[in-house]
Amino acid sequence: GAVVSQHPSWVICKSGTSVKIECRSLDFQATTMFWYRQFPKQSLMLMATSNEGSKATYEQGVEKDKFLINHASLTLSTLTVTSAHPEDSSFYICSAGGLNSPLHFGNGTRLTVT
Amino acid sequence: QQQVKQSPQSLIVQKGGIPIINCAYENTAFDYFPWYQQFPGKGPALLIAIRPDVSEKKEGRFTISFNKSAKQFSLHIMDSQPGDSATYFCAARNDYKLSFGAGTTVTVRA
Repeated sequence: GAVVSQHPSWVICKSGTSVKIECRSLDFQATTMFWYRQFPKQSLMLMATSNEGSKATYEQGVEKDKFLINHASLTLSTLTVTSAHPEDSSFYICSAGGLNSPLHFGNGTRLTVT
Repeated sequence: QQQVKQSPQSLIVQKGGIPIINCAYENTAFDYFPWYQQFPGKGPALLIAIRPDVSEKKEGRFTISFNKSAKQFSLHIMDSQPGDSATYFCAARNDYKLSFGAGTTVTVRA
């Protein structure tokens, strides 16, 4: 079945630094990938839609300059949390799929900003 | 606002019992309704999904019931096992995007 790989699975960084998270579709091409954020015991919140070869579409309230998304190829999207602060600590999850196929999720990245 | 309303927030059953999770939606543009299972520290895993032109779908011990006129759908876990203890999310898709329910934490006691 379709597999989405996310890396790293966890990262700790200092306040003010930037962190990059990678999302790869391993056995299919994904023109569209999605980035979610999940707080403990809460649901997944869509942050942005990543489109291969074009700019990402951000959900209302998500800062574009803080959460930089790049979708340079059909199998890779990256999310960079810039100038991270402790309130950015969260579980970030990507997903990929097509209109006629289900969305599969990566295993998430636990970001802790100290 | 939450486009998909999920209940209950949590439930506990004995092994062999049938947890039932309910979801409701308003947006008739939703065209695909998946259920995901999530274990702590992991991403959601697709369990089963249904389209609105089907009233029921079974895969193994998991069954979705779908009521298009009421805009409701539910997940039944037959013969539940302790390994089924997880958080379950219903979702609805419109134009590639998924809207998630709030999640239900299911605990199956041995």
